[in-house]
Amino acid sequence: EAEVAQSPRYKITEKSQAVAFWCDPISGHATLYWYRQILGQGPELLVQFQDESVVDDSQLPKDRFSAERLKGVDSTLKIQPAELGDSAMYLCASSPAPFPNTGELFFGEGSRLTVL
Amino acid sequence: AQSVTQPDIHITVSEGASLELRCNYSYGATPYLFWYVQSPGQGLQLLLKYFSGDTLVQGIKGFEAEFKRSQSSFNLRKPSVHWSDAAEYFCAVAPREYGNKLVFGAGTILRVKS
Repeated sequence: EAEVAQSPRYKITEKSQAVAFWCDPISGHATLYWYRQILGQGPELLVQFQDESVVDDSQLPKDRFSAERLKGVDSTLKIQPAELGDSAMYLCASSPAPFPNTGELFFGEGSRLTVL
Repeated sequence: AQSVTQPDIHITVSEGASLELRCNYSYGATPYLFWYVQSPGQGLQLLLKYFSGDTLVQGIKGFEAEFKRSQSSFNLRKPSVHWSDAAEYFCAVAPREYGNKLVFGAGTILRVKS
């Protein structure tokens, strides 16, 4: 069964350092999402791509976060510099078409970030 | 304020007992409605969804949910819980006035005791 792949699964870093997360969506899925899930809360959308274009990054803290999907396939989310409040699970999801047309997002297992 | 509310942070049920997890939303038009489950160390998996039509929807793993427009609710139910159902459950809505962006509740952690 096809899955959304994410790496690394766990990342511990010190504040002010740079971190990067990688996501490989299910093959053929044109829409890719990055969510942040803070402990005790539900996931919150950071950025949405349609192919290689950003269609929604209204909740992305652009002073320190960046995301790209250069070839419209895999994607990288970067944080520089990391702050203590960035400690969270970063989830990648994909869907064949923009939500909610397909009714389902397929999530990866997430990358858990701890900032010390 | 517009939101998705899951009033129960934790719920503990005995194996074999019935389960109901509550979800309420406060948006203008009826949004698209979803329930996702997140097992430890795993990603979120869709249990079921409601777009329109029959207000009682069936999902995977024996779960069902009922949409009640008058109560702005979309509660998740299962008649007999199994130990493997222990996980965190998220209600999510896609409000039509927000471009159908998926908004999640804070989640309910289900514990199953044997």
